[in-house]
Amino acid sequence: DGGITQSPKYLFRKEGQNVTLSCEQNLNHDAMYWYRQDPGQGLRLIYYSQIVNDFQKGDIAEGYSVSREKKESFPLTVTSAQKNPTAFYLCASQEGSRGNQPQHFGDGTRLSIL
Amino acid sequence: AQTVTQSQPEMSVQEAETVTLSCTYDTSESDYYLFWYKQPPSRQMILVIRQEAYKQQNATENRFSVNFQKAAKSFSLKISDSQLGDAAMYFCAYRSALRGGADGLTFGKGTHLIIQP
Repeated sequence: DGGITQSPKYLFRKEGQNVTLSCEQNLNHDAMYWYRQDPGQGLRLIYYSQIVNDFQKGDIAEGYSVSREKKESFPLTVTSAQKNPTAFYLCASQEGSRGNQPQHFGDGTRLSIL
Repeated sequence: AQTVTQSQPEMSVQEAETVTLSCTYDTSESDYYLFWYKQPPSRQMILVIRQEAYKQQNATENRFSVNFQKAAKSFSLKISDSQLGDAAMYFCAYRSALRGGADGLTFGKGTHLIIQP
């Protein structure tokens, strides 16, 4: 079955540590996205990538980094510079670049501070 | 920057009744796209319905329909014949058309919909 796989489902970070969230898709979609969701809030865009080897900052990119070396993979690193990383992180992908095309989402990763 | 406002943090409706969820947005653009997503307790985001701003006709998907008022910058979602499985968080989202169609989405804070049996 085609879809988006996020791993791990739960992740714990120690102070000063970088952690990487995985996002893999087998939908052959060009564009991929990372969103952060805090309790009682909507999703906020962290980074997105429309093609391999290219990505753009979203609204809350500080303290995060990404790479897009392969079409199917878009990992997100939460660096120690992100002082409040506890949140639910969602990865999404989109086929093509027509604006009315929906984004397809993974099941998310919940990140907590130890 | 665009903003999306959902003024109803929580709504409750009896099973089989109709409910309308409100969404307003702020933009200076004339071309854009609007979406409603559903997030059940499983936290998976599921597309409910979408609307292109250049289309005057309101989108409909089975029991779900929208009332798109471009001049008022309003995009409400109507759910008819509510079912227990409709219980979820509902998010309204906006996408600009300025930089092509693969920009990220701007989301509202969501409305928690409760279905009373």
